[in-house]
Amino acid sequence: DAGITQSPRHKVTETGTPVTLRCHQTENHRYMYWYRQDPGHGLRLIHYSYGVKDTDKGEVSDGYSVSRSKTEDFLLTLESATSSQTSVYFCAISESSLYYGYTFGSGTRLTVV
Amino acid sequence: ILNVEQSPQSLHVQEGDSTNFTCSFPSSNFYALHWYRWETAKSPEALFVMTLNGDEKKKGRISATLNTKEGYSYLYIKGSQPEDSATYLCASVGSGNTGKLIFGQGTTLQVKP
Repeated sequence: DAGITQSPRHKVTETGTPVTLRCHQTENHRYMYWYRQDPGHGLRLIHYSYGVKDTDKGEVSDGYSVSRSKTEDFLLTLESATSSQTSVYFCAISESSLYYGYTFGSGTRLTVV
Repeated sequence: ILNVEQSPQSLHVQEGDSTNFTCSFPSSNFYALHWYRWETAKSPEALFVMTLNGDEKKKGRISATLNTKEGYSYLYIKGSQPEDSATYLCASVGSGNTGKLIFGQGTTLQVKP
């Protein structure tokens, strides 16, 4: 009943391998976002979606791609993981950020070795 | 890219002290300002969403004010308790159409018993 779940919660992967993180929501919210959290940088937007198959880049999108084939799922893919992508990744959903706060997932801790 | 700045970066207070933090944001093309509370090992949780100049919101001992003309918001905590220890994030909506939030780096509050 969390409304938003991320998987996996933790992952260790090797440099150069592709990695996909999943964000799943049961709230039927239109907007979905992927952020990464790094010390000294706070939360930075990677990609976002404003509807099925409607996505756009955020401020740190290089090396990442996303897909949203249905309302409830928003996938983040690291095409060829690098050590600089070691981070904690948060997914968030929103009905409308003009009136409501985001709801965040629990985060995925990704380590690229 | 929208710049959202928060100060101070960190704050240590004694239990019972009242405290406040500042968030500054570009005042042009303003849509909405969010405040979040982020406890260690958890996800950010929305505190307030404010849109109107002069807006004041309150939740228990925490309150916030908004000045859209000069581009700042204050978060106040009255009578701080150890359970208030957290990072407090503010974020501004970067674009009304997509609702993407641009976050400040946060103010980390430590309340000593």
